[in-house]
Amino acid sequence: GEEVAQTPKHLVRGEGQKAKLYCAPIKGHSYVFWYQQVLKNEFKFLISFQNENVFDETGMPKERFSAKCLPNSPCSLEIQATKLEDSAVYFCASSPRGLGNEQFFGPGTRLTVL
Amino acid sequence: ILNVEQSPQSLHVQEGDSTNFTCSFPSSNFYALHWYRWETAKSPEALFVMTLNGDEKKKGRISATLNTKEGYSYLYIKGSQPEDSATYLCASHNAGNMLTFGGGTRLMVKP
Repeated sequence: GEEVAQTPKHLVRGEGQKAKLYCAPIKGHSYVFWYQQVLKNEFKFLISFQNENVFDETGMPKERFSAKCLPNSPCSLEIQATKLEDSAVYFCASSPRGLGNEQFFGPGTRLTVL
Repeated sequence: ILNVEQSPQSLHVQEGDSTNFTCSFPSSNFYALHWYRWETAKSPEALFVMTLNGDEKKKGRISATLNTKEGYSYLYIKGSQPEDSATYLCASHNAGNMLTFGGGTRLMVKP
């Protein structure tokens, strides 16, 4: 598609439950990035993919967070055993050729952990 | 952890005023500086990606300059309009494969 699609728009989970978020990048874009937006405007980098390979995962809290980008499927970000502090908007972005190019952002998924 | 700072945090201007704000970023191992415009509840929208020292880019009434030696970029808006009200985010790509975002400048343009 011509836009980055993210589902669901909103997700509510009880503490300890699993949360799974999806991102469909723009067709033809090789790079996918995940960001967590907690405080007002702070976008924290989580992980990036080049096609189905992890490009950089330095921002990922490894214990409970995992992500995949498999061929012919939306990319996913999964949080096992959610905590209250995981409440945030999770943005996905895609780019045709990596960090020297602009990123196209999706509308975000708002995760609320109660 | 890189420090990307934006100032001011927020700005109120009158319609028709010209305005500018600053993004400072680490100058070492610099690759690219991104500017995004973000309206709440919408997707951030790319404005510019700049890589070369002294570069200046323009899109309509919005322009940006880049100084990679001292580590700063200015974003200018000429003749602000109410529809320019948004948060302007900058993000720096230094060594590594990630963007580090600043905290944004929230611009409000009063009619």
